[in-house]
Amino acid sequence: GQNIDQPTEMTATEGAIVQINCTYQTSGFNGLFWYQQHAGEAPTFLSYNVLDGLEEKGRFSSFLSRSKGYSYLLLKELQMKDSASYLCAVMDSNYQLIWGAGTKLIIKP
Amino acid sequence: DADVTQTPRNRITKTGKRIMLECSQTKGHDRMYWYRQDPGLGLRLIYYSFDVKDINKGEISDGYSVSRQAQAKFSLSLESAIPNQTALYFCATSDFSRDTGELFFGEGSRLTVL
Repeated sequence: GQNIDQPTEMTATEGAIVQINCTYQTSGFNGLFWYQQHAGEAPTFLSYNVLDGLEEKGRFSSFLSRSKGYSYLLLKELQMKDSASYLCAVMDSNYQLIWGAGTKLIIKP
Repeated sequence: DADVTQTPRNRITKTGKRIMLECSQTKGHDRMYWYRQDPGLGLRLIYYSFDVKDINKGEISDGYSVSRQAQAKFSLSLESAIPNQTALYFCATSDFSRDTGELFFGEGSRLTVL
């Protein structure tokens, strides 16, 4: 079966750095997405990785290792507004998105 | 105004009632999707459509039906609602010609079935 694993919840301090991991087992691979979802709101796109390596976009970076079935989202200089759930999703060989359950990130002052 | 609009945003109904959730988009995307989200679970795909004449079942289509009335409109129906269909429902669109094919979500429709 296809599976996406990510931690259920993480806590970090304002101004710090946090890394949210995602491991996957899917039928084929056509890219990995990270979305941010604030409570009660719609998910919004953060990043897309299809090749191995690090993609940096401002305070957020996303890393992919296809051989290890592993990705992480790195958030730097954390702000209170970063409190949200972070969803990892993989596009399989049929171009269908398989979603993880999300990681709830709690930022403390 | 939102590019992907869902109506209603909140709905409480009773078991056995027919419910329709509507989605319209101004992004000009061909692809439209309906997902449901439950606490502790990932987004699950109900139905998707790649253009007006194309309808495909997703992971959890039982108990649901859809209609793609136009490129911009995609509605989800629950013919006879049951309590375990209580969930947050999202419509989404994508344009596969873009590099990433990222999804653009509506604001969600919270459905409660009593």
